[in-house]
Amino acid sequence: EPEVTQTPSHQVTQMGQEVILRCVPISNHLYFYWYRQILGQKVEFLVSFYNNEISEKSEIFDDQFSVERPDGSNFTLKIRSTKLEDSAMYFCASSGGRSNEQFFGPGTRLTVL
Amino acid sequence: AQSVAQPEDQVNVAEGNPLTVKCTYSVSGNPYLFWYVQYPNRGLQFLLKYITGDNLVKGSYGFEAEFNKSQTSFHLKKPSALVSDSALYFCGVRDMNNNAGNMLTFGGGTRLMVKP
Repeated sequence: EPEVTQTPSHQVTQMGQEVILRCVPISNHLYFYWYRQILGQKVEFLVSFYNNEISEKSEIFDDQFSVERPDGSNFTLKIRSTKLEDSAMYFCASSGGRSNEQFFGPGTRLTVL
Repeated sequence: AQSVAQPEDQVNVAEGNPLTVKCTYSVSGNPYLFWYVQYPNRGLQFLLKYITGDNLVKGSYGFEAEFNKSQTSFHLKKPSALVSDSALYFCGVRDMNNNAGNMLTFGGGTRLMVKP
């Protein structure tokens, strides 16, 4: 069964450093998403991406964040200058259509020291 | 704006008993509703969804949910709980309005504890 994969599973970084979180969505999906979950809290939407551009973003997704689909398979989330409060589990998701369910990856745990 | 409320932080049930995990929602247009489950150190796994049609939808692992438009609810149910159902359950909503985005809004999650 196809699945969304994410690397790395755990990333530790120093405050102010740049990080790139990587995702490989399900191959025939067209819509891609990033969500985050701060420990013990709800899952929060960050951004959606379709047709090589951001289609929607939340207020969390400020200028420090960017997304890219550098090739036909990867979907990345970059945080330019990490802050302590960026520590969270970051989930990538993909769906085949707007009304289709979103399939989530296993997540990357980001720890900012 | 869209929102979801899961009023119970935790639900405890004995194995073999029926379970209900509550969810209410708010959207300006028609709702697209779904349930996901999260096991420890894992991502969210899709359980079921409601878009249109029958108010009772059936999903994975014997779970079902009932859409109630008048009560704006989408409670998750299972006739007979298993210990292995113990996990964190998230209800979510998306506005089906064509001008709305694709973002899913999740509730705070309900921890289900099934005891032997």
